Amino acid sequence: AQTVTQSQPEMSVQEAETVTLSCTYDTSESDYYLFWYKQPPSRQMILVIRQEAYKQQNATENRFSVNFQKAAKSFSLKISDSQLGDAAMYFCAPPRGANSKLTFGKGITLSVRP
Amino acid sequence: NAGVTQTPKFQVLKTGQSMTLQCAQDMNHEYMSWYRQDPGMGLRLIHYSVGAGITDQGEVPNGYNVSRSTTEDFPLRLLSAAPSQTSVYFCASKLAHYNEQFFGPGTRLTVL
Repeated sequence: AQTVTQSQPEMSVQEAETVTLSCTYDTSESDYYLFWYKQPPSRQMILVIRQEAYKQQNATENRFSVNFQKAAKSFSLKISDSQLGDAAMYFCAPPRGANSKLTFGKGITLSVRP
Repeated sequence: NAGVTQTPKFQVLKTGQSMTLQCAQDMNHEYMSWYRQDPGMGLRLIHYSVGAGITDQGEVPNGYNVSRSTTEDFPLRLLSAAPSQTSVYFCASKLAHYNEQFFGPGTRLTVL
């Protein structure tokens, strides 16, 4: 079964600073994808970033990047130059492979201090 | 493309009433799924479908039914609503198992 752990339910960051959201997972799949989603107060779920497990290079999308450690089964999200609009709940999605169910973790609530 | 649409946006039911939450997507996605979101519980998978005519249970299927007669639609039925089903419900779809999911805007359901 695929599971994910987001150990810190709440985090806070100063505007313009950098914050890292942690995520560890378990999977029996060898080929899979990993995702981080953002849910702002509007409630809409938005894809932040995606990582293919077979790629050694960490994915980057503007101010968002991941630290993917496949052997350690760790998939952290780094937000650089934090902005007020980054305040949201962030969900790490467990590995999506051919046999995986579409479950999610409990999420991390990020607040940004002006 | 409208993406994933859900209706209604808000609904209030009395205990024991039945209703159907509608979900539709116009992206020709094979995979569709329903989640409920409760404070402190994250997103929990209710039911999902990997194609028309194929459905399966998720983590919390009790009290909910689904069917998938077309690729586009994936309705969620509450046969006899209970206060424990008060939640925000999200429908999502994706093209194939390696792709990202696209989410609808959600339905806030209150059962009195």
